[in-house]
Amino acid sequence: TQLLEQSPQFLSIQEGENLTVYCNSSSVFSSLQWYRQEPGEGPVLLVTVVTGGEVKKLKRLTFQFGDARKDSSLHITAAQPGDTGLYLCAGGTDSWGKFQFGAGTQVVVTP
Amino acid sequence: NAGVTQTPKFQVLKTGQSMTLQCAQDMNHNSMYWYRQDPGMGLRLIYYSASEGTTDKGEVPNGYNVSRLNKREFSLRLESAAPSQTSVYFCASSEARVDGYTFGSGTRLTVV
Repeated sequence: TQLLEQSPQFLSIQEGENLTVYCNSSSVFSSLQWYRQEPGEGPVLLVTVVTGGEVKKLKRLTFQFGDARKDSSLHITAAQPGDTGLYLCAGGTDSWGKFQFGAGTQVVVTP
Repeated sequence: NAGVTQTPKFQVLKTGQSMTLQCAQDMNHNSMYWYRQDPGMGLRLIYYSASEGTTDKGEVPNGYNVSRLNKREFSLRLESAAPSQTSVYFCASSEARVDGYTFGSGTRLTVV
């Protein structure tokens, strides 16, 4: 059973377009993380959000944690081919660090 | 480069064979984890070690054993491999909840 549902599963866009990826759950999380994974590599942490309503920006990436801490979104502005990858969200409830992962959203940005 | 090192990167086993996946981190992290990644299912936790000397089961522990050899090393053993264990295995470490995981580059295991 997937605690975290990510949508869409796959997204293909042209360079310069915007995109949003969603991560939803019926559970409340104490923190939520976003990772990007490239083929043949392990996931790399992009951001951690801990406060309901929190918004964090990382260059062209904007991350938002829902007010109720049950959902999150990742918005990419003016996507570039280097943004191609599998985006994973992970929600934490334990105090010392076990996280549940979503199945991921595969993003492909073509020139 | 500092980080998490996994060996081997690729392995093919016959059903019933055993093997150990090795993982070492040089960031002085207390916690270490083993995940498996399968298409459409995300990352699922197999075993974890909150600190040196402790290990505990995750979501999918059946068919696996682990050893936290010291603070740096955390190994995963398959005693009798089955085709259902064909997957990509990732080791990760972390220091604090909000710091996130540092992952290794994975071991792609095929059981035939």
